[in-house]
Amino acid sequence: AQKITQTQPGMFVQEKEAVTLDCTYDTSDQSYGLFWYKQPSSGEMIFLIYQGSYDEQNATEGRYSLNFQKARKSANLVISASQLGDSAMYFCAMREGLNTGGFKTIFGAGTRLFVKA
Amino acid sequence: NAGVTQTPKFQVLKTGQSMTLQCAQDMNHNSMYWYRQDPGMGLRLIYYSASEGTTDKGEVPNGYNVSRLNKREFSLRLESAAPSQTSVYFCASMELGHGYTFGSGTRLTVV
Repeated sequence: AQKITQTQPGMFVQEKEAVTLDCTYDTSDQSYGLFWYKQPSSGEMIFLIYQGSYDEQNATEGRYSLNFQKARKSANLVISASQLGDSAMYFCAMREGLNTGGFKTIFGAGTRLFVKA
Repeated sequence: NAGVTQTPKFQVLKTGQSMTLQCAQDMNHNSMYWYRQDPGMGLRLIYYSASEGTTDKGEVPNGYNVSRLNKREFSLRLESAAPSQTSVYFCASMELGHGYTFGSGTRLTVV
């Protein structure tokens, strides 16, 4: 069963506007971590933001925030004030079993974001 | 600069040839990982090493072997390359509670 679902293969956003990239996940673990990564056209993978399942507040890192809705099992990435350099592929990922030594992280298929000038 | 160093960046192999992808990190992370990335499929875990001296299979281990040489180095070996192994390979390391630090990737083509 697919554990990380990113339903938006591609998204367009106007420069300086905010955009939300969707991510839903499936797990029976109580302790897990959620991540977002950015992959520009150059190909490198860049870690953006992390949310632990027990964290009560949504994670924020500069213009990135993670809208964590635990009951709905969603972990959407919000990018505020989009910039042309935000055009990239974005991957949602989950690591299960944090309190039992889990080490495997699984990735969604990704969402390609296009920022228009 | 601190980070994960992966070599080579590009490689073309003939079917049946073998090769080793090298990975080293200088951040003193305990856990290291090998992923492959195929179009439309995100990243899939091949093998990982939770700590020096241990290795475990991920989602797609068939056709690969790994060696955790020391805390810094984690290599991936293809013993007999197949066209299905054409992919982009990423090595990564992680500190608990944080995200991965990835290498720059190896683009492998098997003909």
